[in-house]
This record gives sequence, structure tokens and C-alpha cells, in this order.
Amino acid sequence: DSGVTQTPKHLITATGQRVTLRCSPRSGDLSVYWYQQSLDQGLQFLIQYYNGEERAKGNILERFSAQQFPDLHSELNLSSLELGDSALYFCASSSHRSESPLHFGNGTRLTVT
Amino acid sequence: AQSVAQPEDQVNVAEGNPLTVKCTYSVSGNPYLFWYVQYPNRGLQFLLKYITGDNLVKGSYGFEAEFNKSQTSFHLKKPSALVSDSALYFCAVTVFSGGYNKLIFGAGTRLAVHP
Repeated sequence: DSGVTQTPKHLITATGQRVTLRCSPRSGDLSVYWYQQSLDQGLQFLIQYYNGEERAKGNILERFSAQQFPDLHSELNLSSLELGDSALYFCASSSHRSESPLHFGNGTRLTVT
Repeated sequence: AQSVAQPEDQVNVAEGNPLTVKCTYSVSGNPYLFWYVQYPNRGLQFLLKYITGDNLVKGSYGFEAEFNKSQTSFHLKKPSALVSDSALYFCAVTVFSGGYNKLIFGAGTRLAVHP
């Protein structure tokens, strides 16, 4: 158990809809990362937060947004969903030290129909 | 551009044989290097890392990796493969960009260990 909790595990929704994915980081970790993993593709970095502030942005679409709350949990909001947004979305957390490994949740599988 | 390459999409090994999963990187400075494993329907699990010091690092489940600075490689190895090692393996490297450290992942290599 990595200590990172993601909810929900599965999400099925229609095109054009909006969903929110939630992540609770490992206790003590201040950094939260969001990654997208599509079928037969590697991990695409979306965004990173550190102690409530956006730290780095990757290939995140304008339709997607995220935030990290004072209690350090994070939410990833996906709107105007398209079929191509179907993927596994992973949250990871780490301490502030750059040599610390990331600890991943088990992901949310999003299916857009 | 800073990048991580895993040149093999899939590696097939017989159980009991040694295995190697390759990783090369192209980053400036002295990066931190990581290996992660992903089992079906699970998140990535940390296996091992190289920060500094001895070029051979040991990690979880009997895996080890060798850092080679001249070849900019960080290959994952195990002396004797198990069927249960079959999974997706990711190499990752930290890069310093925009004032912050960022972790870049390779595309992943699927390891299949046959009985």
C-alpha cells in the first residue's frame, strides 16, 4: 500500500460531461502529481502541486484543471470530455526532496462513451 | 531536449534466466535516476534509485541497476527472473526545469517471463 488514495476507481461518463478525480497524498507528503496513462502509452505528466501552489505544468489540456487544498488533498477536473480522454489517471505524492521517489495511487479509470 | 529512452517495447525471458531492461537518458547535469514497476490495474511502485556513489544499486524484489555515466545508461537487471516479475517497467529521471525539479518517465518496457 503506497498510502496514496484515489477516488473513484472507475468512472464512466458521456462526451461533453465534466468529472472530478480526487487524490489524498501519503501522510507527510507536500507534493502531488497528476499523470495520464492512455492505452499502450506511457505516462504523460499533467501537473504538479507543492503545498497548495502549482509547481510545474506538463501536457495538460486547457479543458483540464487541478488544485491542491489546504489539507493537501488534490482534485483534477476534466471538462468537455472527449472520447480520447479515456485513460487511467494517476496521482502520486512525494516529499519535497528531489531525490525522494514518487508514491502512486492505484489510479482512476475514466471511460468516456 | 531532455529525455529518457527505453529502446525495447517488450523483453521476453525464460524463468530462471537473467534479465536486463534497458534505459538511456539525455539530460544535463547530474540527474537522479529511478526504476518503477507497474502490475496490471495498479499504480507504479518504486523499485530503486541512483543518486550518487556506487554505480550498482540494489532495490526491491532482487532487482538491481547499473549506472553508467559515460554511456548515460541505467539498465535494470535481475540474476534470475521469476514469472511474477512479468509487468511493465518504467525508467525515470529528474530534470531541473523552470526553477523546479521534474520527473520524466520513459515509455515503458513490458517484461514477459515465461515458465
